[in-house]
Amino acid sequence: QVQLVQSGAEVKTPGASVKVSCKASGYTFSDQYIHWVRLAPGQGLEWMGRINPNNGDTLYTQKFQGRVTMTRDTSISTAYMDLSGLTSDDTAVYYCARDPGYRSGWNYFDNWGQGTLVTVSS
Amino acid sequence: DIEMTQSPSTLSASVGDRVTISCRAGQNINNWLAWYQQKPGKAPKLLIYMASSLESGVSTRFSGSGSGTEFTLSISGLQPDDFAIYYCQQYSRFLSFGQGTRVEVK
Repeated sequence: QVQLVQSGAEVKTPGASVKVSCKASGYTFSDQYIHWVRLAPGQGLEWMGRINPNNGDTLYTQKFQGRVTMTRDTSISTAYMDLSGLTSDDTAVYYCARDPGYRSGWNYFDNWGQGTLVTVSS
Repeated sequence: DIEMTQSPSTLSASVGDRVTISCRAGQNINNWLAWYQQKPGKAPKLLIYMASSLESGVSTRFSGSGSGTEFTLSISGLQPDDFAIYYCQQYSRFLSFGQGTRVEVK
């Protein structure tokens, strides 16, 4: 069955960077986009961007442009989300999520990782 | 970004009730809309896509309707496992979510 397994919780100081991983199994990793979505305390879900694992193409929402980098390593079926310049507003649970489209973005999510809590605190 | 507005923010209901959650888009999104259920400490779960298509494995008690700017998620015969937060998400132009509707025990 499809599984997305994320890396563990992180605690970072303001100004630092965090890199979250998302290991896929149960399907062909290159065939489906991976998106990143976050849920901050008391807030709703927020889409950050997506990566096409087949060729590495990325699309980021404007809010995170310049601060977020999404990459992938197809040899280990893993996607990564790197967020820099962290502030307390970035304290959130970060999710990776699979797009159901075949080598194209249908832009909704049929499978999700378990989430990674990133806490930013001095 | 297309703004998505859900109502109500909180809905109090009892087991067995039929509940309806509304989602309004700031502009026409045709039927490019999905619904998710999220429980505390868990990842969201896809319920509905293309406004009214039921995701495989999801109970037929869930149904979606609407097009354009007005959409509805209905849950018939509310079960204890259905108390959760529900989000709509548009994917017509980029992606954006509603703020969520909490379904709580009355």
